[in-house]
Amino acid sequence: EAGVVQSPRYKIIEKKQPVAFWCNPISGHNTLYWYRQNLGQGPELLIRYENEEAVDDSQLPKDRFSAERLKGVDSTLKIQPAELGDSAVYLCASRRTSGGAPEQYFGPGTRLTVT
Amino acid sequence: DAKTTQPPSMDCAEGRAANLPCNHSTISGNEYVYWYRQIHSQGPQYIIHGLKNNETNEMASLIITEDRKSSTLILPHATLRDTAVYYCIVRLNRDDKIIFGKGTRLHILP
Repeated sequence: EAGVVQSPRYKIIEKKQPVAFWCNPISGHNTLYWYRQNLGQGPELLIRYENEEAVDDSQLPKDRFSAERLKGVDSTLKIQPAELGDSAVYLCASRRTSGGAPEQYFGPGTRLTVT
Repeated sequence: DAKTTQPPSMDCAEGRAANLPCNHSTISGNEYVYWYRQIHSQGPQYIIHGLKNNETNEMASLIITEDRKSSTLILPHATLRDTAVYYCIVRLNRDDKIIFGKGTRLHILP
């Protein structure tokens, strides 16, 4: 079974530029999560999707961050414009909600550096 | 905020048992103790969870004290590949939000 796929793995941009991250969850996993992990800290949840519906986006900074999961499979997280403080690793995770579901499976993350 | 307290780092000799402690003195009666680990440049990985009883799987054992205010994750025969940050988390169930703290950075020494 293929794991959660994220791209790109690394991204360097200048501040005020836009950036987008892509996530392909494990096949059949209807729940998808985006996390942000700052250096030396644990991951923090940004948004959670159940199929194509965002059911928890309370921690997503909506002035500059947006996310979509149009067909309930792949998801994109966008930042526009990026700020220096957005430098972090952005992790995607997925889970099959039904049927005694196992835990969340995390992807390798995208390391964003804003200069 | 994370509801657990863990030491920031620990060392363990390769082949020995690694015992990682966690304090969760404010845990409520229906909250589980979960453990995850994060190897460098990878996302977190689920290890084990428990409510009251001790649990064991192919990766580790979880010992929860009778008053449930603390627990210990045991890696019985640590290898270099067990070098990682280990997170202890309390949560209601699989649907509950995971709130990560800073975890314990475990170094396995050759």
